[in-house]
Amino acid sequence: AQSVSQHNHHVILSEAASLELGCNYSYGGTVNLFWYVQYPGQHLQLLLKYFSGDPLVKGIKGFEAEFIKSKFSFNLRKPSVQWSDTAEYFCAVNSGTASKLTFGTGTRLQVTL
Amino acid sequence: ETGVTQSPTHLIKTRGQQVTLRCSSQSGHNTVSWYQQALGQGPQFIFQYYREEENGRGNFPPRFSGLQFPNYSSELNVNALELDDSALYLCASSLEGGQVTQYFGPGTRLTVL
Repeated sequence: AQSVSQHNHHVILSEAASLELGCNYSYGGTVNLFWYVQYPGQHLQLLLKYFSGDPLVKGIKGFEAEFIKSKFSFNLRKPSVQWSDTAEYFCAVNSGTASKLTFGTGTRLQVTL
Repeated sequence: ETGVTQSPTHLIKTRGQQVTLRCSSQSGHNTVSWYQQALGQGPQFIFQYYREEENGRGNFPPRFSGLQFPNYSSELNVNALELDDSALYLCASSLEGGQVTQYFGPGTRLTVL
């Protein structure tokens, strides 16, 4: 069975600090990878996704993620966070032709002024 | 383009009761997936509907059931409610297949007393 691990449960950063959130998955076959964000009081929104091709993918709001197949990882990065990035971030994976998503437990990011 | 909508927003039930949650998919999408998000957890896949039939199910008991209608909208029914069913129930719509993006609705917050 697939599983997704997000090791950082709660991250506190000052504005302008750099961000990296870890995501590791367990599945040996072809995977599709996603990062979703849930801002306070809002619904889950897609930040970025990887299906194939260039393993460095860029998403909205200056976020990017790198797929490293050998490490089963899909870490999320942002060079300089803003207070408005305060939210919960979820990594998710599906495999092959099935669209069912397996989510990690999420990372709560708190950005202080 | 209309996004995914869910109703009701909030619901309070007592143990043993039954509940029906509703979801309207995004325009052009033919697949609906349901997820349960307990407090502090990532969403857990319940099941998916495609062409009015169940197309994959997660580790949830049979008292969780669903329907999809010809207009692709969907219902989630839960019988014999238990306290642990208290959660945010998310609906996501997409096209079928693996390399697709699921778009989430705002969710229904269910509280079981």
